[in-house]
Amino acid sequence: EPEVTQTPSHQVTQMGQEVILRCVPISNHLYFYWYRQILGQKVEFLVSFYNNEISEKSEIFDDQFSVERPDGSNFTLKIRSTKLEDSAMYFCASSPLPPAQHFGDGTRLSIL
Amino acid sequence: DQQVKQNSPSLSVQEGRISILNCDYTNSMFDYFLWYKKYPAEGPTFLISISSIKDKNEDGRFTVFLNKSAKHLSLHIVPSQPGDSAVYFCAATIISGTYKYIFGTGTRLKVLA
Repeated sequence: EPEVTQTPSHQVTQMGQEVILRCVPISNHLYFYWYRQILGQKVEFLVSFYNNEISEKSEIFDDQFSVERPDGSNFTLKIRSTKLEDSAMYFCASSPLPPAQHFGDGTRLSIL
Repeated sequence: DQQVKQNSPSLSVQEGRISILNCDYTNSMFDYFLWYKKYPAEGPTFLISISSIKDKNEDGRFTVFLNKSAKHLSLHIVPSQPGDSAVYFCAATIISGTYKYIFGTGTRLKVLA
């Protein structure tokens, strides 16, 4: 069964550094999403992406964040200058059509 | 922002019995609801969904009930199995909107053998 794959599984970065989290959505999917889950808290929506542009973003998704689909297969989340509070699990998801989404297993981001 | 709430952080149920997980929402604009299951170290897995034009949707052992007037939905698992032990999240969205999904805080279900 096709899967959403995320790399790396764990990323450790110094505060203030840029980080790029990578996702390969399922190949025929058209809608892409990023979520985060701070340890012990709920899954929080960050951004949705369709037709090569952002459809919706949450208040968390400020100017430090950006998304890109650079080559038709990858979907990336960039955090420009990481802060301690960016430490979380980041999940990528994709769907052929809303509403159901297929999630990857996440990247654990640890900011030191 | 507590638009979707799951007030029970945990639930224990005997194998073979019914598990009932509850979810409340406050935004009457939500018109589609989903349940996800999550195991540790994995991403959420879609289980079942329901449109606001329905009050029930069934898929095998899983049934979701929606009470729009009470802004309440529930997931019933019958019979419960030990493999169902996981964290369950409900989520809500406005289907004709911009694909923003609001998740609840989750309920940890433990099915006892």
